[in-house]
Amino acid sequence: DARVTQTPRHKVTEMGQEVTMRCQPILGHNTVFWYRQTMMQGLELLAYFRNRAPLDDSGMPKDRFSAEMPDATLATLKIQPSEPRDSAVYFCASGLVIGRGLALQFGPGTRLTVL
Amino acid sequence: DQQVKQNSPSLSVQEGRISILNCDYTNSMFDYFLWYKKYPAEGPTFLISISSIKDKNEDGRFTVFLNKSAKHLSLHIVPSQPGDSAVYFCAASGGGSQGNLIFGKGTKLSVKP
Repeated sequence: DARVTQTPRHKVTEMGQEVTMRCQPILGHNTVFWYRQTMMQGLELLAYFRNRAPLDDSGMPKDRFSAEMPDATLATLKIQPSEPRDSAVYFCASGLVIGRGLALQFGPGTRLTVL
Repeated sequence: DQQVKQNSPSLSVQEGRISILNCDYTNSMFDYFLWYKKYPAEGPTFLISISSIKDKNEDGRFTVFLNKSAKHLSLHIVPSQPGDSAVYFCAASGGGSQGNLIFGKGTKLSVKP
């Protein structure tokens, strides 16, 4: 039963610290997404990759957020420096684009708390 | 400006009755729509989808209806069960979004025994 895995599951840090979240997409999936869930915004797209190439990162605050896919088995989302308003649950999701249909499988999320 | 809107943040239904969750979208170029269900402390899980060439898709107790002229879709759950209590997200793709999924803010469904 293939699953998207994310580490860490929980992270508490102080304002100004660097935070790195990792994701292992499902083998064979060619798209990887990073979403952030907050009470106010629901599921907010931060960035996504297709075949490891970044397609859209317009949802990310560029001055502090960065997303990369160093290889097909790892996606990272980094925040430097972190701020209290970054506190949220960050989800990674992967999927396979078939025609015009795309059904994503989500990881369990990383709950980030910035004090 | 939200392209996918779920205007009801919450819905409460009695067990055995029908649950109807609604979703509106603004981009007429969207051509694929999905519903995801999310339990606390878990990631969203795919529930059901519909292509714009159809107006209905059914899977067991779950049916999604699409009204393209109104840019509206709905998810019907019948009969509702307490285990259906979760947050339901509507999502859409296509329309120049380069294959990404745009999500609504979610509707929290509570099914009472």
